[in-house]
Amino acid sequence: SQKIEQNSEALNIQEGKTATLTCNYTNYSPAYLQWYRQDPGRGPVFLLLIRENEKEKRKERLKVTFDTTLKQSLFHITASQPADSATYLCALSDYKLSFGAGTTVTVRA
Amino acid sequence: KAGVTQTPRYLIKTRGQQVTLSCSPISGHRSVSWYQQTPGQGLQFLFEYFSETQRNKGNFPGRFSGRQFSNSRSEMNVSTLELGDSALYLCASSLAPREKNTEAFFGQGTRLTVV
Repeated sequence: SQKIEQNSEALNIQEGKTATLTCNYTNYSPAYLQWYRQDPGRGPVFLLLIRENEKEKRKERLKVTFDTTLKQSLFHITASQPADSATYLCALSDYKLSFGAGTTVTVRA
Repeated sequence: KAGVTQTPRYLIKTRGQQVTLSCSPISGHRSVSWYQQTPGQGLQFLFEYFSETQRNKGNFPGRFSGRQFSNSRSEMNVSTLELGDSALYLCASSLAPREKNTEAFFGQGTRLTVV
C-alpha cells in the first residue's frame, strides 16, 4: 500500500538557520507533489507544487526538491523566523491529496 | 476574494445522531473535496465533487455521504455517529477537478465532537 513518511514529528531550530524537512514515499509514482502549512486550529495553506520533471522549485525563502528516483522531496525554509513555526505537510497529488503526518517546526528567537 | 467557508465551526453531537456540515467554495471553483483530520490518522480523503457529481471516494463507510449543489456549495452528512467520528472535517476547493493537480484551498474546518 502507499506510504508517505515525513522525517520527524518535530524540528526545533534557531532563528536565521535553515530548516530542512524530508518527505519519503513508497508504492507510489506521483506526477506532482505539494507542500502545505497548517497552523493550530486552521486548515492547511498551499505553499508549493512541484512536478515530476522539475528538480527544484523556489518561492521567496522556501525551496522544494523532488527526486523521483529516491522517491523523496526535501523542503527548505531559509533564514527561518519565529513566524515560520507551524506544521508542514507534504501531499502526493493525483485524484486526491494523500498527506504525510506532518512535521511541526518551532523556530526559537 | 472570499475564501472557503465552512459552517458550523464547532459541533457537539451524541452517538447515534446524524450531522450535516456545509462548505462554500471560493467563487468560481467547481471542485470540492472533503477530508477528515484526526491525531492518529492525519488527513484522510473522504470524497470529491465536481459539477454536482461525486468523482472519487475515499475508504470510509457508507455512513459518510455528501452532495454538491448547482452553485458549487457542498454538504457532507454523517449518519449514526460513532465516538471515532470525532475529528476536524476540512473542505478544500479547487478550480479544476483534482486530477488536474491544481492547488487546493482549505477552509478552517468544522470541529466535530461525538459524546
